[in-house]
Amino acid sequence: GAGVSQSPSNKVTEKGKDVELRCDPISGHTALYWYRQSLGQGLEFLIYFQGNSAPDKSGLPSDRFSAERTGGSVSTLTIQRTQQEDSAVYLCASSTWPRGRGSSYNEQFFGPGTRLTVL
Amino acid sequence: AQSVTQLGSHVSVSEGALVLLRCNYSSSVPPYLFWYVQYPNQGLQLLLKYTSAATLVKGINGFEAEFKKSETSFHLTKPSAHMSDAAEYFCAVSRNFGNEKLTFGTGTRLTIIP
Repeated sequence: GAGVSQSPSNKVTEKGKDVELRCDPISGHTALYWYRQSLGQGLEFLIYFQGNSAPDKSGLPSDRFSAERTGGSVSTLTIQRTQQEDSAVYLCASSTWPRGRGSSYNEQFFGPGTRLTVL
Repeated sequence: AQSVTQLGSHVSVSEGALVLLRCNYSSSVPPYLFWYVQYPNQGLQLLLKYTSAATLVKGINGFEAEFKKSETSFHLTKPSAHMSDAAEYFCAVSRNFGNEKLTFGTGTRLTIIP
């Protein structure tokens, strides 16, 4: 594909339900990021996958949030027992692996996002 | 920890006028700084990046930014605004130049007045 794709583009759910958001990174990109964009919190980092390394989960707001990346490609962000404050646009980005010390910047390419609305 | 502060959540300029969007950073280590643009209903797009190679950085669409260590600033400018520049702009910082999570400012929505 030409860029990062995310599905669904919009998701409306009821409070307490679980949701899964999908991200397809650019082919060959080994790094994958999830961010959240909300009115109250702006754009914030959630989780980061880099090759086979353990993911950086430092931005996940609670244990209701989890993410996995299968086969080093597609990633799924899961939110359990959704709350109204989870309403936001969830953005995914991917980038290539840095080649050695002092390598050039590996730009993060962003997908269009999934707009999640929790009623 | 790194952070960025964007002054002004909304900025309006007339078409053809100077665009100035402000960003100040806080970092305990030499920062890597970025400006991203988000057009309506689209994802984020990288405008330009500061790599420490040059303090004046030129980006796409005629935008540029100057890194000023003494002022801890990385303001975005464009000499002459165009209607197509209407968008939301985000300043961001990371610790490393390679793969690293970005810490974003709260964004500035730019409106162009015809």
